[in-house]
Amino acid sequence: RKEVEQDPGPFNVPEGATVAFNCTYSNSASQSFFWYRQDCRKEPKLLMSVYSSGNEDGRFTAQLNRASQYISLLIRDSKLSDSATYLCVLFSGGYNKLIFGAGTRLAVHP
Amino acid sequence: GAVVSQHPSWVICKSGTSVKIECRSLDFQATTMFWYRQFPKQSLMLMATSNEGSKATYEQGVEKDKFLINHASLTLSTLTVTSAHPEDSSFYICSARDTSGRALETQYFGPGTRLLVL
Repeated sequence: RKEVEQDPGPFNVPEGATVAFNCTYSNSASQSFFWYRQDCRKEPKLLMSVYSSGNEDGRFTAQLNRASQYISLLIRDSKLSDSATYLCVLFSGGYNKLIFGAGTRLAVHP
Repeated sequence: GAVVSQHPSWVICKSGTSVKIECRSLDFQATTMFWYRQFPKQSLMLMATSNEGSKATYEQGVEKDKFLINHASLTLSTLTVTSAHPEDSSFYICSARDTSGRALETQYFGPGTRLLVL
């Protein structure tokens, strides 16, 4: 079983739509969680950290459920510029490294 | 903000040749740098962790004699793909961890190097 699992998509949504991505992880000892964004042929860039209490940054809301080992990202009022691949990432303190999911592709169309 | 550069940004080489990729932290010191590889539509896979002044730690399945890593200074790590073959064609990305006390999980990524081996 992969350490981090994501639906690869693609999610094709119109501008203005709300879209949600989910991610599950297998290692209950994982310490920190993040969503990264990766544009085509570019490096990943940190979008936001994910906390159990939930956190919001503008149109983006992230949520962590440690009991279910589940992470989510909600994007409201989608923009064309949101089109990218969204990577679910966790930090394993035991292994001292970031572990990346394969990503969920989002395509926002006019 | 912290900036990491990679050079070259892309390279095409013949099978059997060696390719060196540089990763530099431009405005901070990095005792630890990481080398990742990403194949199309797949996740970033950590290849090795590079520590300044010591040997790199390779992930399982990564050949240390094929992927030579040198981290000779606090701002530079190099990855050399020796005797490259077409299956080594991939997107190689480095990241660097700031030594200034930030959380361990904070890494700054380089823009990546696209390698095509003919």
